[in-house]
Amino acid sequence: NFMLRQPHSVSESQGKTVTISCTRSGGSIADDYVQWYQQRPGRSPTTLIYEDSRRPSGVPDRFSGSIDSSSNSASLTISGLKAEDEADYFCQSYDNKYWVFGGGTRLTVL
Amino acid sequence: VHLEESGGGLGQPGGSLRVSCVASGFTFSSYEMNWVRQAPGKGLDWVAAINRGGSSKFYADSVKGRFTVSRDNAKNSFYLQMNSLRADDTAIYFCARAGYTYGQGFDYWGQGILVTVSS
Repeated sequence: NFMLRQPHSVSESQGKTVTISCTRSGGSIADDYVQWYQQRPGRSPTTLIYEDSRRPSGVPDRFSGSIDSSSNSASLTISGLKAEDEADYFCQSYDNKYWVFGGGTRLTVL
Repeated sequence: VHLEESGGGLGQPGGSLRVSCVASGFTFSSYEMNWVRQAPGKGLDWVAAINRGGSSKFYADSVKGRFTVSRDNAKNSFYLQMNSLRADDTAIYFCARAGYTYGQGFDYWGQGILVTVSS
């Protein structure tokens, strides 16, 4: 199995851009697709990004995903931050019958 | 698409509980289904998966040998039987549908149901 490591928290001002990283330990980040979920307090997670960089319909293009093999990590970038983006963000990947989540990142919008 | 959990509640250490998930709005038998839990104030923790026909089941190491996942496609339902409960099983349990391909992750989630393990 592998692990996905995320920063515990990030903060940025409204209107700015923030990037949340998800670093894989054990295997290559490119071995399996990465998904990103947003979870607002008291709510179920919702998908922001799937297959590393694709957005489900209805997700604004302010949200984008990418992977970087050199750092063995995936990234979620949120541009034009809004107050409503304040939430927890989780990355996820899959390896041989096991689903793995990152520990989550709490985004504070200042 | 709608997923709704039921069951759960308070269980004793060493005891058993069962949570259920009823699905609607899609062809249930065409999708892998999963249980994910979230301890209070913590992150998401994948628990178990069951394939479309119910013939293959996969578990996180933390629950292997204690929890059993099953499904009844005729009832559009799947279940998590939790035995030998421990305090660290206390969490909100979400049912989640895996997308048609693994790259899609979990595309729909239930609202979650609280399981508390305490004497």
